Amino acid sequence: AQTVTQSQPEMSVQEAETVTLSCTYDTSESDYYLFWYKQPPSRQMILVIRQEAYKQQNATENRFSVNFQKAAKSFSLKISDSQLGDAAMYFCAYRSLTGNQFYFGTGTSLTVIP
Amino acid sequence: NAGVMQNPRHLVRRRGQEARLRCSPMKGHSHVYWYRQLPEEGLKFMVYLQKENIIDESGMPKERFSAEFPKEGPSILRIQQVVRGDSAAYFCASSPVGGSLETQYFGPGTRLLVL
Repeated sequence: AQTVTQSQPEMSVQEAETVTLSCTYDTSESDYYLFWYKQPPSRQMILVIRQEAYKQQNATENRFSVNFQKAAKSFSLKISDSQLGDAAMYFCAYRSLTGNQFYFGTGTSLTVIP
Repeated sequence: NAGVMQNPRHLVRRRGQEARLRCSPMKGHSHVYWYRQLPEEGLKFMVYLQKENIIDESGMPKERFSAEFPKEGPSILRIQQVVRGDSAAYFCASSPVGGSLETQYFGPGTRLLVL
């Protein structure tokens, strides 16, 4: 089974600075999808960014970008110009092309310091 | 377009009681997924349903848990004879088709507390 590892239980960043959250995964598949979800205190899961494994270009969504290293099975999230509203739990997730489910990491709690 | 709706948002049950969690997918979505999030953990897949069909229940505990998605109405996750270990946040997600090209849209979750 696929596993997703987030090795940073907690991270903090100064407002307006940049922070990178790490994620590694294990799979024998060649094609799959990777996601970053944000879970604010309201607990709702919000999609931040998505990456297709067959695409070499790193996905970008405004202040959020990823560094996808397929050979290293690494998928880090970079948040630029951090804002107070970015404070949340961030979950990395994997989904295969044929599977029905997401595999989630254990999350990284991000604190933004004013 | 309203998002995925879940109710109740909070549910308190005593040991041995039944818990019913409801999920209304986004309009036009016919695929529903249930996940459980234990404290300090990520979400774990439980079951995937289409209208009137269970497609994948590989993550469901073998006993006391069941799920349905009838032709009309919301999807229901039912937990019979709850125990303290069932205390968790239960999330529902929906998608318009079942293929992995589709992102799953998550609801706000139901927090179940078993006393």
